[in-house]
Amino acid sequence: EAGVVQSPRYKIIEKKQPVAFWCNPISGHNTLYWYLQNLGQGPELLIRYENEEAVDDSQLPKDRFSAERLKGVDSTLKIQPAELGDSAVYLCASSGTSGINEQFFGPGTRLTVL
Amino acid sequence: AQKITQTQPGMFVQEKEAVTLDCTYDTSDPSYGLFWYKQPSSGEMIFLIYQGSYDQQNATEGRYSLNFQKARKSANLVISASQLGDSAMYFCAMRGWGDKIIFGKGTRLHILP
Repeated sequence: EAGVVQSPRYKIIEKKQPVAFWCNPISGHNTLYWYLQNLGQGPELLIRYENEEAVDDSQLPKDRFSAERLKGVDSTLKIQPAELGDSAVYLCASSGTSGINEQFFGPGTRLTVL
Repeated sequence: AQKITQTQPGMFVQEKEAVTLDCTYDTSDPSYGLFWYKQPSSGEMIFLIYQGSYDQQNATEGRYSLNFQKARKSANLVISASQLGDSAMYFCAMRGWGDKIIFGKGTRLHILP
């Protein structure tokens, strides 16, 4: 079974440029999460989807960040315009609806804003 | 408000010894779940073990066990017979009401040969 897929793995951009990250969750997982992880810190939730509905986006900086999960499967996280402080790892995770619903994480996208 | 505290930024342990990673939490939710994840240098978070707040017994998964003390609000991870491959960051996380999940700041574990 394929795991959570994220692309790109690395991205370097200049400040004020736009950037987008893509995530494909594990097949059948209805819940999808986007996290931000700063160096030496734990992941912080940006947004959580149940199918195509964003059920928790309270931590998403909506002035520059946006996300979508149009068909309830893969998802895109966008930053426009990027700022120096956005340099971090962006993690995507998914979980199912049975058992303990542990999250399965992708490898992350490391963003560097110059 | 929910909170996870991991007080050990880093630990050094000799190979084959047991190690305990501390985690305390704070929540007013009557039902919650506690998770431990491992993050090697490759960056991918790996699920290790889960403890539900109503579980009567401490969770175990191979060399991993969770020392759950509900009254003290602690959920320490115990790794028995540590191996070099256990060197990584370890995160404690809690899922509470509304499926909100929060992570601690992590503990970096170094296993020495």
